[in-house]
Amino acid sequence: GAGVSQSPSNKVTEKGKDVELRCDPISGHTALYWYRQSLGQGLEFLIYFQGNSAPDKSGLPSDRFSAERTGGSVSTLTIQRTQQEDSAVYLCASSPRDRGYYEQYFGPGTRLTVT
Amino acid sequence: DAKTTQPNSMESNEEEPVHLPCNHSTISGTDYIHWYRQLPSQGPEYVIHGLTSNVNNRMASLAIAEDRKSSTLILHRATLRDAAVYYCILGLDGKLTFGQGTILTVHP
Repeated sequence: GAGVSQSPSNKVTEKGKDVELRCDPISGHTALYWYRQSLGQGLEFLIYFQGNSAPDKSGLPSDRFSAERTGGSVSTLTIQRTQQEDSAVYLCASSPRDRGYYEQYFGPGTRLTVT
Repeated sequence: DAKTTQPNSMESNEEEPVHLPCNHSTISGTDYIHWYRQLPSQGPEYVIHGLTSNVNNRMASLAIAEDRKSSTLILHRATLRDAAVYYCILGLDGKLTFGQGTILTVHP
């Protein structure tokens, strides 16, 4: 079956512009996570959705970052007024059950470059 | 958050078993032990997870020490496709935080 998909695969943007990153989770997966991975760094949690609600936004680095999920499916991560330090690979993962007890399935990521 | 310690790198030959260690001396009683791996230019891939008992699946086995302060991921017969960065993570709530992991090199 189809896995987690993300778009675009690559995004180059100028400093100060807004960007939207999209995640299509596996159908039926209720939990959705956003992470980012900077060059040579580990994985950093950003936000978690259960259905359409986000009970844990603790990883969002600033108020320039926001995310939403609609219909319990597609999610969009928005970064406003991008900065060079936002350059990273943004990964989305979905899970079939509530977090902690079931594996997360990751998408291929969106590589964001802010020039 | 409880921290894990893994060797920076390990090497193996194809068809041989690989034992990847992870120390987690500050693990709490409710922390699950998760293993993920990441191939170059790909998203992370779930490998296995466990709480107290040893676990087996089609990809690997997870051996957990009796005091739960360490664990070992076992790949029974390494293949070239197993070359990746392996991450050992603790958690209860599914909020994964990866450290540097172990870079596994598999030689033909």
